Amino acid sequence: GQQVMQIPQYQHVQEGEDFTTYCNSSTTLSNIQWYKQRPGGHPVFLIQLVKSGEVKKQKRLTFQFGEAKKNSSLHITATQTTDVGTYFCFDSNYQLIWGAGTKLIIKP
Amino acid sequence: DSGVTQTPKHLITATGQRVTLRCSPRSGDLSVYWYQQSLDQGLQFLIQYYNGEERAKGNILERFSAQQFPDLHSELNLSSLELGDSALYFCASSVRSWGDTQYFGPGTRLTVL
Repeated sequence: GQQVMQIPQYQHVQEGEDFTTYCNSSTTLSNIQWYKQRPGGHPVFLIQLVKSGEVKKQKRLTFQFGEAKKNSSLHITATQTTDVGTYFCFDSNYQLIWGAGTKLIIKP
Repeated sequence: DSGVTQTPKHLITATGQRVTLRCSPRSGDLSVYWYQQSLDQGLQFLIQYYNGEERAKGNILERFSAQQFPDLHSELNLSSLELGDSALYFCASSVRSWGDTQYFGPGTRLTVL
């Protein structure tokens, strides 16, 4: 069946460094949604990508959808402590498949 | 605050028991989704209801069942509980169905001893 692979599982960065998480699928993704879950919290919607090659920005966050709609990425520029949490990608078709998440950890 | 409520917040029970988790969606949302999240793990989709009808099914065990009532609130029933069922159970709602933004409740933390 379809799987959405998300890497890396963890990323440790110094505050101010960049962070990137990737989602890959062997089959064409319908629409990609990205969510953020703060420690102890619940997932919160960030953005949805629908079109092939789409790029969207939210302040320091850049979201991309691959040309073949088989991959997506989230890039955070100059991380801040408020960025800490786990970032999930989600293919919002009927199978409702989530990536395993990438945990962003800021090194003290 | 997402507008989705879940009760109870915490539940501690013993193996072999049965529990019911309750979810009230945001006003106007027709779909309810149930997810299981084990410690530091990802989200496992269990089941979706849309306007009272089952719409999609994920990796939901036969010991688990759910329903959505006419007022659109939903309940997840977990029976013959095992230690491995200990997890955070989230409910989410959306206006319609697939492709819509999902709004998550705060979750119910279930501990099976």
